[in-house]
Amino acid sequence: GAVVSQHPSRVICKSGTSVKIECRSLDFQATTMFWYRQFPKKSLMLMATSNEGSKATYEQGVEKDKFLINHASLTLSTLTVTSAHPEDSSFYICSANPYRSPEQYFGPGTRLTVT
Amino acid sequence: AQTVTQSQPEMSVQEAETVTLSCTYDTSESDYYLFWYKQPPSRQMILVIRQEAYKQQNATENRFSVNFQKAAKSFSLKISDSQLGDAAMYFCAYESNFGNEKLTFGTGTRLTIIP
Repeated sequence: GAVVSQHPSRVICKSGTSVKIECRSLDFQATTMFWYRQFPKKSLMLMATSNEGSKATYEQGVEKDKFLINHASLTLSTLTVTSAHPEDSSFYICSANPYRSPEQYFGPGTRLTVT
Repeated sequence: AQTVTQSQPEMSVQEAETVTLSCTYDTSESDYYLFWYKQPPSRQMILVIRQEAYKQQNATENRFSVNFQKAAKSFSLKISDSQLGDAAMYFCAYESNFGNEKLTFGTGTRLTIIP
């Protein structure tokens, strides 16, 4: 089956610093990847749609200057949390669809803690 | 906009018994996909089953089956012969068939398996 990886799985950073999370489709190409945020015991909240070779599409209420998304290749999307604050601490998950498949495959997630 | 509702925050079932998780959705579209995803304590999202709206036949995957009622906009998941490994959060999700492949998730149902 399709595999999506995320790196790092856990990261702790200091307030005011930036942190980058990578999402890779390992055995398929993905023109579109998705970034979600999940609070404890809550559902997944879509933050943005990452489009290969073009700008990401952000959901309402998500600050595009704070959550920078780059989708430079068909297998890699990155999410950079800039000037992180404790309220940005969360679980971030990415997903991707194989070409012409409606099924999304999810990465294992990244737990971000901002101190 | 589409919405997905899971009215059961928590469910429990005796091991080896059958349990049904409810999901309703609202859409004005005629062509779409519905999914059930499982999120165990590891927090890895796992696709359980998928249903295409144009198909009348209910999808089945081993012990997992759905009851898809398009007119009622209902999409329940039945788990037969429940096993301890089925314990997880279960999310119902909707995806439009009109290009952008965004998933809209329900709030989830936490399933506990009683040994």
